[in-house]
Amino acid sequence: AQRVTQPEKLLSVFKGAPVELKCNYSYSGSPELFWYVQYSRQRLQLLLRHISRESIKGFTADLNKGETSFHLKKPFAQEEDSAMYYCALSFYNQGGKLIFGQGTELSVKP
Amino acid sequence: GAVVSQHPSRVICKSGTSVKIECRSLDFQATTMFWYRQFPKKSLMLMATSNEGSKATYEQGVEKDKFLINHASLTLSTLTVTSAHPEDSSFYICSASPGNNQPQHFGDGTRLSIL
Repeated sequence: AQRVTQPEKLLSVFKGAPVELKCNYSYSGSPELFWYVQYSRQRLQLLLRHISRESIKGFTADLNKGETSFHLKKPFAQEEDSAMYYCALSFYNQGGKLIFGQGTELSVKP
Repeated sequence: GAVVSQHPSRVICKSGTSVKIECRSLDFQATTMFWYRQFPKKSLMLMATSNEGSKATYEQGVEKDKFLINHASLTLSTLTVTSAHPEDSSFYICSASPGNNQPQHFGDGTRLSIL
């Protein structure tokens, strides 16, 4: 069965510390993975997609097919990074629907 | 950029009422839109795929007679929660994509409270 797992509900770090939000997936096909972010009182918005291999707001994520992981990383966390982060798996043969992980709340303290 | 508008943002109504939520793609056409439900401090659960001009595809466990979906045009999908009860209270979110291989864009969501 297709599944996305984010093992941490809450991750709390101090400003300037490195951050890694974990995401593991289960999918027999070729995965298309995303990270979405939801800041307080704002809509869900795209942060990264694995095929772009880009860095947004200092965040990067690498798809590791051997470990079926797509962890989100940032070397130096900022207070404005505090938000809910969702890892998602897309199914393009089903119109692009998304299956989300449980979400991780990142709290960056001053 | 691609914008998805959702209306209303908040609904409070009595038990037994039917509630309609609209999802519009403002600057692009979408043959497919998606409806999600989010419980407090929980993830988004996909409810159904809304297909323009045809029947919606519901996820397992979602009652199609309870959650009616209509996708009458390339820019509008509606979700109607029929005979709503308190357990239907939730945050409902829609999304749409400008095209194949394009990421989903999300609406602001609708907070539904059934008294």
